[in-house]
Amino acid sequence: EVQLVESGGGLVQPGRSLRLSCTASGFTFGDYAMSWVRQAPGKGLEWVGFIRSKAYGGTTEYAASVKGRFTISRDDSKSIAYLQMNSLKTEDTAVYYCTRGPPMDVWGKGTTVTVSS
Amino acid sequence: DIVMTQTPLSLSVTPGQPASISCKSSQSLLHSDGKTYLYWYLQKPGQSPQLLIYEVSSRFSGVPDRFSGSGSGTDFTLKISRVEAEDVGVYYCMQGIHLPITFGQGTRLEIK
Repeated sequence: EVQLVESGGGLVQPGRSLRLSCTASGFTFGDYAMSWVRQAPGKGLEWVGFIRSKAYGGTTEYAASVKGRFTISRDDSKSIAYLQMNSLKTEDTAVYYCTRGPPMDVWGKGTTVTVSS
Repeated sequence: DIVMTQTPLSLSVTPGQPASISCKSSQSLLHSDGKTYLYWYLQKPGQSPQLLIYEVSSRFSGVPDRFSGSGSGTDFTLKISRVEAEDVGVYYCMQGIHLPITFGQGTRLEIK
């Protein structure tokens, strides 16, 4: 079964850091780009960024709202994608989803990040 | 950034009746490779989003054939031929051709 499982969420103070993990199974992880999408409480979906597969350079792209603060990386040997979040702000509070692609055809259940003092 | 505008923002549909959601993009989503990178997702209550339609009109694996997508350029439509109770939730369109990737605001579908 194709599956994505996020972990690492929690309550963190503004200005601190947090690293989310996305563990994949059921497919050849290294063949796919991996994205992060977030959803603030009661709001819509917001793309955070993605990392291309190694075949396409393994490069990353980010939304302007997180560029310079968030970093996406991947460990293909472990089938894990990471989202390193630094200098967190209250407006980063959201459920963070890991998803395969684009085309974002497989989604995890999400992990909740709450940024509050 | 490409703005994705969905209408309506909510709709209430009687089971068995059709439903239609419009999504308009502020720029063409037609890529030089000939594909149009417009997607539709459904987020059921309490769940993660799920892909329904990719590249305007291709149904994703396991998606019932009562869902169909159409359109070109900047105007797109998701249609449900006969709404069922399990179709409730929020529908999002998304463009994947220009960075940043952007979503529509979402359309909430409820059952009458």
